[in-house]
Amino acid sequence: DTGVSQDPRHKITKRGQNVTFRCDPISEHNRLYWYRQTLGQGPEFLTYFQNEAQLEKSRLLSDRFSAERPKGSFSTLEIQRTEQGDSAMYLCASSLGETESSPLHFGNGTRLTVT
Amino acid sequence: GQNIDQPTEMTATEGAIVQINCTYQTSGFNGLFWYQQHAGEAPTFLSYNVLDGLEEKGRFSSFLSRSKGYSYLLLKELQMKDSASYLCAVKDSNYQLIWGAGTKLIIKP
Repeated sequence: DTGVSQDPRHKITKRGQNVTFRCDPISEHNRLYWYRQTLGQGPEFLTYFQNEAQLEKSRLLSDRFSAERPKGSFSTLEIQRTEQGDSAMYLCASSLGETESSPLHFGNGTRLTVT
Repeated sequence: GQNIDQPTEMTATEGAIVQINCTYQTSGFNGLFWYQQHAGEAPTFLSYNVLDGLEEKGRFSSFLSRSKGYSYLLLKELQMKDSASYLCAVKDSNYQLIWGAGTKLIIKP
């Protein structure tokens, strides 16, 4: 179990540019989540996958955000035309999802700074 | 609306005991989680409660009262490494996790 890994750890981009983040979940985990977190706040749900199917997407999520999990393994999160308000820590988490008590296992996140 | 309330910050002394409270108002309830998050790091799972009562895990215990919409995390024999944020999260009727803003715990020697 190597844990959830995310790449890159840090990303600085200029407003208007597109960025893509990658998440590799724990290998046997079928559920994968994306969250966004800003300083002093809890994680904010963005979207989640069960295997390759995207089952839910936050209503608050702009259409500039898109996520994929093409083979039910790794996932990517793309933000198009970035804005300064997108600056945050983007967290990926995975879980077995077999029971409702299954905890989320988080990666160390990608910190995005939009200048 | 759905709401999770936790104190913003607490301070305690090394070796002491501290209780971090969490109150919630959610549409349905399917369990409550506590996570620990050190600055700049990922949240890590501490405990899960779905039935009323106390769950003990070493130095950490978590309590739940569903009728009161209330939980607490109890940390005993505090160590400096326990300085972190502690996040309370509730699974609602749609099995979505609703997160509190976290309680920053500062441990002083």
